[in-house]
Amino acid sequence: GAVVSQHPSWVICKSGTSVKIECRSLDFQATTMFWYRQFPKQSLMLMATSNEGSKATYEQGVEKDKFLINHASLTLSTLTVTSAHPEDSSFYICSARDTASGRVNIQYFGAGTRLSVL
Amino acid sequence: GQNIDQPTEMTATEGAIVQINCTYQTSGFNGLFWYQQHAGEAPTFLSYNVLDGLEEKGRFSSFLSRSKGYSYLLLKELQMKDSASYLCAVRDEGGMTTDSWGKLQFGAGTQVVVTP
Repeated sequence: GAVVSQHPSWVICKSGTSVKIECRSLDFQATTMFWYRQFPKQSLMLMATSNEGSKATYEQGVEKDKFLINHASLTLSTLTVTSAHPEDSSFYICSARDTASGRVNIQYFGAGTRLSVL
Repeated sequence: GQNIDQPTEMTATEGAIVQINCTYQTSGFNGLFWYQQHAGEAPTFLSYNVLDGLEEKGRFSSFLSRSKGYSYLLLKELQMKDSASYLCAVRDEGGMTTDSWGKLQFGAGTQVVVTP
């Protein structure tokens, strides 16, 4: 299957700092990528849809000024958590949709980034 | 919106069969996906159903009934490595002003524990 690379896998930062997470589709182009957040033993919650060359679409209740998304190329989307606070500590996962013919637009996921804000 | 229900946990022995049920209530439907997720790792794609019926792929099969809002994932010949969380996800229909392929909404996941 298609490969999605997410970096870093683990980050610890001080409260008030910003953290950038990268999501790359390695062997396919992705005009659309998604950012999810997952708390322990809970479901993946969609935060936003990242669209190449245009603004991201945020889900209700997600602060767009706090979670900045940039999708500047067909293989890279970034999520920046600005002025992080302890309540932002979570597991963030990205996915990229493979729109190649015959793949029914499957979403492939990155390995996730565990963010701990002290 | 979507409401997706699946059991929290199931336990089975190695070599056995386990069936994970998923029910959904949806305002729009454009496919149902099953993913496997090991602790601390990314979900990996298992199966996709958009029409009624059974899709078989090796030891894993997935069934869909759109009229009943029901799907199941069948795991045969269980192996220890199958111990993981299994996520049911429904894709909506998208829209004119949103992504036309729709978004996935996930159930809370079913933790399958395989014992020797």
